[in-house]
Amino acid sequence: DGGITQSPKYLFRKEGQNVTLSCEQNLNHDAMYWYRQDPGQGLRLIYYSQIVNDFQKGDIAEGYSVSREKKESFPLTVTSAQKNPTAFYLCASNGGRNYGYTFGSGTRLTVV
Amino acid sequence: AQSVTQPDIHITVSEGASLELRCNYSYGATPYLFWYVQSPGQGLQLLLKYFSGDTLVQGIKGFEAEFKRSQSSFNLRKPSVHWSDAAEYFCAVGGGLTGGGNKLTFGTGTQLKVEL
Repeated sequence: DGGITQSPKYLFRKEGQNVTLSCEQNLNHDAMYWYRQDPGQGLRLIYYSQIVNDFQKGDIAEGYSVSREKKESFPLTVTSAQKNPTAFYLCASNGGRNYGYTFGSGTRLTVV
Repeated sequence: AQSVTQPDIHITVSEGASLELRCNYSYGATPYLFWYVQSPGQGLQLLLKYFSGDTLVQGIKGFEAEFKRSQSSFNLRKPSVHWSDAAEYFCAVGGGLTGGGNKLTFGTGTQLKVEL
């Protein structure tokens, strides 16, 4: 079955370390997105990519970086510059033809 | 800039009762509107979407929503709630296939509790 796979489901990081969250899709979607979810704040857009080798900053990109070397993959790196990285991170994709995001099951990142 | 307001943070209903979750949006052109549901620790599942045409849209799990342009609203309804509907519900607005890079803006969510 087609879908989006996020890994790992839970991730613990020490302060000062970078960490990379994986997002892979087999839906053949061009567009991919990273959202951050905090209680009471809904989903906030971090980065998005509409095509391979191209991506744009969202509303809260500071302290994050991404790459889009393959259509199927859109990894997110949470850098040490991110002041408050503990959150639930959601990856999504959009095929355009049937407008409506497909979401992964998320990664919960905790800084210890 | 596009925005979404979900005025109710928490709603509690009895099983079998009707449900209406409110959503108001701000968007400069014809909006694309969505409702998603999220169970704890999970991703979001699409319930229904509105692009154009009939303003009353049907979704999965017995949900429906009505687009009212004059009120900038897209409220979600269900005639009879089941205990399994307890979850968090998100309304979202987007700019279509070419507008805004297909970006969706989400509301802050409404947490639904169902009393047995």
